[in-house]
Amino acid sequence: KNEVEQSPQNLTAQEGEFITINCSYSVGISALHWLQQHPGGGIVSLFMLSSGKKKHGRLIATINIQEKHSSLHITASHPRDSAVYICAVDADKLIFGTGTRLQVFP
Amino acid sequence: DTAVSQTPKYLVTQMGNDKSIKCEQNLGHDTMYWYKQDSKKFLKIMFSYNNKELIINETVPNRFSPKSPDKAHLNLHINSLELGDSAVYFCASSQQPTGAGNTIYFGEGSWLTVV
Repeated sequence: KNEVEQSPQNLTAQEGEFITINCSYSVGISALHWLQQHPGGGIVSLFMLSSGKKKHGRLIATINIQEKHSSLHITASHPRDSAVYICAVDADKLIFGTGTRLQVFP
Repeated sequence: DTAVSQTPKYLVTQMGNDKSIKCEQNLGHDTMYWYKQDSKKFLKIMFSYNNKELIINETVPNRFSPKSPDKAHLNLHINSLELGDSAVYFCASSQQPTGAGNTIYFGEGSWLTVV
């Protein structure tokens, strides 16, 4: 069992839909990162969380330290949001989830 | 200016060759990393340097040797390349080592194909 589990693995949505990607972890952490990877491209850091909630544009990330769970929400999804979203926990080294492939169709 | 830049972006080479991937960051960060993304897109830490000193060295074959000439550079040299080394290698940097809860900045990745 991976120390960082993401769900779902794959997600398709219609433009405008509300998206939720979940991340659960089993180790002690100092922070949790949400990353975005476009096809053939590099990796961009979306959020770093150690508690509570953060919002950036249409993206919202939440974390519950007691339950060892985080969610990434995308409101009013758009085709340009299509990418792989990766959860990574900072446990003295980054431990990555397997990623969630999101495809948003017009 | 690209914050974390790595070269080459694409590399195709034969088994048994020796190759290097270079990485430079212009963010003034103290810590740099090499990550490997396998064919299933799973990312894993390989090495981490803080102020030119090795602080994380995961279970990586000793054919892989990182070198940090200064804080802004972390190069990855691979000897006797094998088919299983084919992967995407990402360089990254942060102000302080992981564990301190810093934002990590990634390079664009280097696609290595061993034939």
